[in-house]
Amino acid sequence: QVQLQESGPGLIKPSETLSLTCTVSGDSISSGIHYWGWARQPPGKGLEWIGSVYNSGTTHKNPTLKSRISISVHTPENEFSLKVRSVTATDTAVYYCARARFGRGTNAYFFSIDVWGKGATVTVSS
Amino acid sequence: QSVLTQPPSVSAAPGQKVTISCSGTVSNIGNNYVSWYQHLPGTAPKLLIYDNSLRPSGIPARFSGSKSVTSATLDITGLQTGDEADYYCGTWDDSLNTGVLGGGTKLTVL
Repeated sequence: QVQLQESGPGLIKPSETLSLTCTVSGDSISSGIHYWGWARQPPGKGLEWIGSVYNSGTTHKNPTLKSRISISVHTPENEFSLKVRSVTATDTAVYYCARARFGRGTNAYFFSIDVWGKGATVTVSS
Repeated sequence: QSVLTQPPSVSAAPGQKVTISCSGTVSNIGNNYVSWYQHLPGTAPKLLIYDNSLRPSGIPARFSGSKSVTSATLDITGLQTGDEADYYCGTWDDSLNTGVLGGGTKLTVL
């Protein structure tokens, strides 16, 4: 059974860098079958897909966050990470790590998120 | 503001059928496969439908999905109180070059 577990500080100050790590068990990032990504849900709002990374380091990022985020893989540890720079209160959210299917089918891309972590609450406050 | 538009809320009585819509454009739904997710507060979201209409193992046949041109729908039949949750559509967007999720629809089972 594949399980994902987020870890990182629950409280950070404005202008700092948010850093989260996702530890994967029951699957191997280095297998190259899936992409690995992040989503978030601010209080009272819907889910937002942040972006994903492949084991090669190739990333796809939400354009609204692209300039502030880094998504990386750490294959020896079977982990991947998210960094969000210069955070503000609007970055307060529950952050989920996830496994995604992505590829080119018959004349169309398929993209679906088949495994999710339980979520980590991150609050940005001074 | 998501590129995929969903109604904020829908409601129906237990045992009835409900349809949740997801509207996009050629660059996302029009060109690519759609997925659907169920999200109960405080839990991890769950994949209900992938590749427009396929169900992962363990998802009841009460949940079905379809796609037509630049819109997709999720149908839930035989509604149960346990189906009360937020539902999201998702797909790939060729212009944004990333996955996208809809704004979400809150289902109330009256």
